[in-house]
Amino acid sequence: GQQVMQIPQYQHVQEGEDFTTYCNSSTTLSNIQWYKQRPGGHPVFLIQLVKSGEVKKQKRLTFQFGEAKKNSSLHITATQTTDVGTYFCAGRTNTGNQFYFGTGTSLTVIP
Amino acid sequence: DVKVTQSSRYLVKRTGEKVFLECVQDMDHENMFWYRQDPGLGLRLIYFSYDVKMKEKGDIPEGYSVSREKKERFSLILESASTNQTSMYLCASSAVEVVTEAFFGQGTRLTVV
Repeated sequence: GQQVMQIPQYQHVQEGEDFTTYCNSSTTLSNIQWYKQRPGGHPVFLIQLVKSGEVKKQKRLTFQFGEAKKNSSLHITATQTTDVGTYFCAGRTNTGNQFYFGTGTSLTVIP
Repeated sequence: DVKVTQSSRYLVKRTGEKVFLECVQDMDHENMFWYRQDPGLGLRLIYFSYDVKMKEKGDIPEGYSVSREKKERFSLILESASTNQTSMYLCASSAVEVVTEAFFGQGTRLTVV
C-alpha cells in the first residue's frame, strides 16, 4: 500500500543552525502538504505543493517538491526556539480521500 | 474560524469498557478521519468516512469501529478497551477536493487502566 517515509525521526540543533527533514513516497503523489505540531498541540497545516519541482518559501522555511512528485523536503534556516515541534509531511493521490502522513520529525532547538 | 472539536481532552477508562470518542466539525466537510498518535509511529489512520453512513478501514482498524450518522459528527468506538489502546486520538476533517488540507481537533489523550 501507499507509504510515506520521513527522516530523521528526531533532530536536535543549536539555535541558529539549519534544519532539514525529508519525505519519500512509494508512489507518485498528486500533492504534498506539510504540518507542524507544537508540543501538546495538534497538527496545523503549513503549506501545500502541487507542481513537479515546486519550491515555496515562508519566511525562514523552504519547501520543495521533487521532480518525480515522490519526495519533498522542508528546510528551516537559522532555527529559533519557536520552531520546536514535530513536522509531518502528508501526501495525497488522485485515487482516494486519504492523507498519507509521514512518521514525523521531532525538532528540538537548544537555546 | 474553522473548528474541529473533540468531546474530551483527557479520558481514563477501565479495561473492557466501551468507549466513545466524539468529533464534530463545523465546516460542512465531506471527509472525516480518526488517527492515533504514538511516539515514533507518527499518525496512523484508524478509519475514515467520506460521506454520511460511509466508512472505510484505515491502517489499524482492529479493536475499533466508527459511526457517522450526521455529516458533522464522526464517532470512534472502542468496543472493549484494552491497555494497548492507550494513546492520543486525533480527529480530522477535510473537503472532498484533493488539494485541500486537513483540519485537526485538539486530540483526546486516552488512558486505559
